[in-house]
Amino acid sequence: GDSVTQMEGPVTLSEEAFLTINCTYTATGYPSLFWYVQYPGEGLQLLLKATKADDKGSNKGFEATYRKETTSFHLEKGSVQVSDSAVYFCALSPPPSGSRLTFGEGTQLTVNP
Amino acid sequence: DTGVSQNPRHKITKRGQNVTFRCDPISEHNRLYWYRQTLGQGPEFLTYFQNEAQLEKSRLLSDRFSAERPKGSFSTLEIQRTEQGDSAMYLCASSLSIGVLDTQYFGPGTRLTVL
Repeated sequence: GDSVTQMEGPVTLSEEAFLTINCTYTATGYPSLFWYVQYPGEGLQLLLKATKADDKGSNKGFEATYRKETTSFHLEKGSVQVSDSAVYFCALSPPPSGSRLTFGEGTQLTVNP
Repeated sequence: DTGVSQNPRHKITKRGQNVTFRCDPISEHNRLYWYRQTLGQGPEFLTYFQNEAQLEKSRLLSDRFSAERPKGSFSTLEIQRTEQGDSAMYLCASSLSIGVLDTQYFGPGTRLTVL
């Protein structure tokens, strides 16, 4: 079945550091890929998405590129802020029209000033 | 507030009791999803509806679990004869299914504690 694997956390960075959170997936066909973020005390929010190979999703300075050849969707940000501290979830939705989301385990990010 | 709402936000119950949660999706969203999230894990899919029809159920959804969406608007998730292993955050999401991809918007969740 479908699965998503995220890098183990937690991740602790200093403000303005570069962030990478690795995500790889296993799925049949060409799933859609997502990053969701969960800030402390809040619900899951969609951060970015990509629907086909080589698509780049971006939002709030975060980026991720859909790499079919490596089945990856790594999340990056060039300069993190304290306000980026949250749990980040990689997820996929199977083709063709999208239905259930399969999530990774989540990566806790803490950014220190 | 026009987001997904869930009630109650917290529920504490004793083992063996029945509980029911409610989800109100974003207005006009035709799809509604239920997920379960345990501490330190990502959400796991339980079931989803398109309008009134329940289109998919996970094997995680045992016979003690039932979900309804009677008029294609709000949905309820009932757990009968609760067990301690049912303790989790229950998340609801909704989406508008158009075109190739629908984006799911999540509610704040209902945290269930079974004593």
